[in-house]
Amino acid sequence: AQSVTQLGSHVSVSEGALVLLRCNYSSSVPPYLFWYVQYPNQGLQLLLKYTSAATLVKGINGFEAEFKKSETSFHLTKPSAHMSDAAEYFCAVSGNTGFQKLVFGTGTRLLVSP
Amino acid sequence: GAVVSQHPSRVICKSGTSVKIECRSLDFQATTMFWYRQFPKQSLMLMATSNEGSKATYEQGVEKDKFLINHASLTLSTLTVTSAHPEDSSFYICSAQSGDGYTFGSGTRLTVV
Repeated sequence: AQSVTQLGSHVSVSEGALVLLRCNYSSSVPPYLFWYVQYPNQGLQLLLKYTSAATLVKGINGFEAEFKKSETSFHLTKPSAHMSDAAEYFCAVSGNTGFQKLVFGTGTRLLVSP
Repeated sequence: GAVVSQHPSRVICKSGTSVKIECRSLDFQATTMFWYRQFPKQSLMLMATSNEGSKATYEQGVEKDKFLINHASLTLSTLTVTSAHPEDSSFYICSAQSGDGYTFGSGTRLTVV
């Protein structure tokens, strides 16, 4: 069984500040991990994914995440927040053999203030 | 990159009627399509997995007779909400395997009145 826990349903930052969105996973097999962003009334856009290669993964729009097996974490960071980063962010996990269904966390809403 | 076109984006229907949502993969073949449901301010819950040419696999608690899924071709999967009721109002999103990842449709906001 797999699951992800996203700590904090809401995170507020000021424009230009560091963004840190937390994700911890549980998986009985080596996982693949994903971060997605969702804007209101839209589908999900992939930010980045970990598929057992480099533990530090760089994604689009300046985001990156580090896979830490010892901490079962895959936190998402961005050095400097932009107003356009305000959205809902979902962490997801799947198995690592072929394509398997994604299990999503409950999401974190990022609020960016001027 | 891979694109999944989902229609309609919004639909309002009367209670008791049926609604069909379509997801088409553009420029790639989607052997497997996933259908999710998202309640307001909540996460995505997988409803079913459909494979081209075979019956869909439904998650526990999802009524297969109410949420009919058809995946008759490698580029089209449909979800039909039959005899819709207000509690079926939700945001429905499809996702297809593409390359080494998943591509999501833009979602359908269903409101049953």
